[in-house]
Amino acid sequence: AQSVAQPEDQVNVAEGNPLTVKCTYSVSGNPYLFWYVQYPNRGLQFLLKYITGDNLVKGSYGFEAEFNKSQTSFHLKKPSALVSDSALYFCAVIPKRDSGAGSYQLTFGKGTKLSVIP
Amino acid sequence: DSGVTQTPKHLITATGQRVTLRCSPRSGDLSVYWYQQSLDQGLQFLIQYYNGEERAKGNILERFSAQQFPDLHSELNLSSLELGDSALYFCASSVGRRGDDEQFFGPGTRLTVL
Repeated sequence: AQSVAQPEDQVNVAEGNPLTVKCTYSVSGNPYLFWYVQYPNRGLQFLLKYITGDNLVKGSYGFEAEFNKSQTSFHLKKPSALVSDSALYFCAVIPKRDSGAGSYQLTFGKGTKLSVIP
Repeated sequence: DSGVTQTPKHLITATGQRVTLRCSPRSGDLSVYWYQQSLDQGLQFLIQYYNGEERAKGNILERFSAQQFPDLHSELNLSSLELGDSALYFCASSVGRRGDDEQFFGPGTRLTVL
C-alpha cells in the first residue's frame, strides 16, 4: 500500500525567506508525485507533478519540488515566501503504471500548514 | 475557479438521515472523484467514476454510494448518517481515467450531522 508522510504539521517562515515543506513517500515501484495547495474555505489546487526525468520540477506560483529517489522524498520549495503563500499544502502519491486498464487512487499526506509572517 | 461545481455548499442534518451531494465536473473531464476531508482522518479518497462507470474504490462506507450520470455529473449519497460523517466532501474531476493526471477540485460541501 502507498503512503505519504508530511512530518511537520506547521511551518512558519518570514516573508522573503526561502521555504521548504517536507514530504516522504512509500509506494511499490516508481511514483507519480503531486503537490496541492488548499486556501481557507476553498478546494485543493494543483501546484506541480513529478512523472519522470529532471528531479527538479517547476510549478505554479514560483514553487518547485525536488524528487530524491534514494531518500524517497519530494520536498516543496520556494526561494522567497509571500504572505499570500500561507495555506495548507498536501503532498500526494500514486504508483506509476506503464500500461493497463487499472486505476489507482491518489493518496494524500495529512497536510502542512504554512504560515508566512510579514 | 476550477470549473468544478458542487451543491449544496453547506448541509446540516440529523443522525439517521440521508443526503445527496451533487457535483458537475469541468467541461471535457470524464473522471469524477469523491473525497472526504476531516480533522482526524485527513483527506481520504472515496470513489472514482469514469464516463459513467465505477473505476476505483477507496475507503467508502457501505452506507455511502455514488453514481455518474450520462451528462457526467455525479451524486454522492450518504445514508443512515452518523455524527462521525460530519466532514468536508470534495469532488474533483480530470480528463483521464487512470487517476494519475491533474485533478481539479470543487469548493466542497460541508456536511454537519447533529
